[in-house]
Amino acid sequence: EVQLVDSGGGLVQPGGSLRLSCEASAFTFSQYWMSWVRQAPGKGLEWVANIKPDGSDKNYVDSVKGRFTISRDNAKNSLYLQMNSLRVEDTAVYYCGRESAWAFDYWGQGTLVTVSS
Amino acid sequence: QSVLTQPPSVSAAPGQMVTISCSGSSSNIGNSHVSWYQQFPGTAPKLLIYDNNKRPSGIPDRFSGSKSGTSATLGITGLQTGDEADYYCGTWNGMVFGTGTKVTVL
Repeated sequence: EVQLVDSGGGLVQPGGSLRLSCEASAFTFSQYWMSWVRQAPGKGLEWVANIKPDGSDKNYVDSVKGRFTISRDNAKNSLYLQMNSLRVEDTAVYYCGRESAWAFDYWGQGTLVTVSS
Repeated sequence: QSVLTQPPSVSAAPGQMVTISCSGSSSNIGNSHVSWYQQFPGTAPKLLIYDNNKRPSGIPDRFSGSKSGTSATLGITGLQTGDEADYYCGTWNGMVFGTGTKVTVL
């Protein structure tokens, strides 16, 4: 069964950094685009970033450009999100998602990032 | 702020049908594929519909999707109490999601 396990969330002060991880299993990770999607408390879904199967192409929502970096290690079946210069408005549950047929067909369970002083 | 507009809430009695609209533009829905997601409180979203009207394996045919021009619609027939959840549409212009709709079973 396809599984995505998100980890790395926590409490961080504004201006701080955090690295999220998503470990994939039961599918050929290296063949899929992968994304990060976030959801602020009580709010809707917001796509954050995605990365091509070989890591050669990355895209970001404007609000995180220059602060967040998406990456992957296909040998470890893992997706990452390095988040720097964090802001209060980055507080959210972050989900990794597998892209297939122009949709997200599998999601991680999410990891909570809280940015607060 | 999302560029895809959904009604905040819809409701109906058990066994009835609800439809959820998703309004966009020629730069997103009008030029791409629509997907729909179901989300229960405290859990990750789940894919219900992809490529406008296709259901993943395991999704009952009570759920249906359609697209016309710059709008899309999710239909749920034979409404059940277990369908009470938030529903989101999504499409690619970079990926964008709708504002979300809460379905209530009366």
